[in-house]
Amino acid sequence: GAVVSQHPSWVICKSGTSVKIECRSLDFQATTMFWYRQFPKQSLMLMATSNEGSKATYEQGVEKDKFLINHASLTLSTLTVTSAHPEDSSFYICSARDPAGDSYEQYFGPGTRLTVT
Amino acid sequence: AQTVTQSQPEMSVQEAETVTLSCTYDTSENNYYLFWYKQPPSRQMILVIRQEAYKQQNATENRFSVNFQKAAKSFSLKISDSQLGDTAMYFCAFMRNGGSQGNLIFGKGTKLSVKP
Repeated sequence: GAVVSQHPSWVICKSGTSVKIECRSLDFQATTMFWYRQFPKQSLMLMATSNEGSKATYEQGVEKDKFLINHASLTLSTLTVTSAHPEDSSFYICSARDPAGDSYEQYFGPGTRLTVT
Repeated sequence: AQTVTQSQPEMSVQEAETVTLSCTYDTSENNYYLFWYKQPPSRQMILVIRQEAYKQQNATENRFSVNFQKAAKSFSLKISDSQLGDTAMYFCAFMRNGGSQGNLIFGKGTKLSVKP
């Protein structure tokens, strides 16, 4: 099956700094990628939909200036958490759709644990 | 707006027994997909099984099967011959069909523990 990677898998940053998380589709070209956030013992909440070559679509309540998403190529989307605060500490998961595959299929990355101190 | 409800926060089952996880959803759409995802302690999301709403036949994948009741908007997951490796969080998810975005809407999850 298709593989999606995320980097880093775990990051600690200081409050006020920015951190970038990468999501890559390794063996397919992903025109659409999704970013989810998962708090401990909770479900996945969609933050934004990332489309290659265009602006991301953010879900209601997600600050687009704080969570910057860039999908500059068909295999890479990045999520930058700007001016991070402790409340941004969470598990961030990306997924990607393969336009050449089944329309329903989403492939998930392994996630990135962000801790803001 | 679509919603997905999992009413069982935690369940446990003895190894080799059968367990059923419940899921209900709300939508005005007629065409959609339903999924069960497994999230083990590694937190990697793994697709367990999917069901297309237009199909009346319940999906089956080895020890995993679903009971899809479209009129009742119910989509339960049955795990037969439970194994220790089935211990995980299980999320029910909904996706609209035909939408260009195709984002998933997840339930809150059920934590399943398989006991030896």
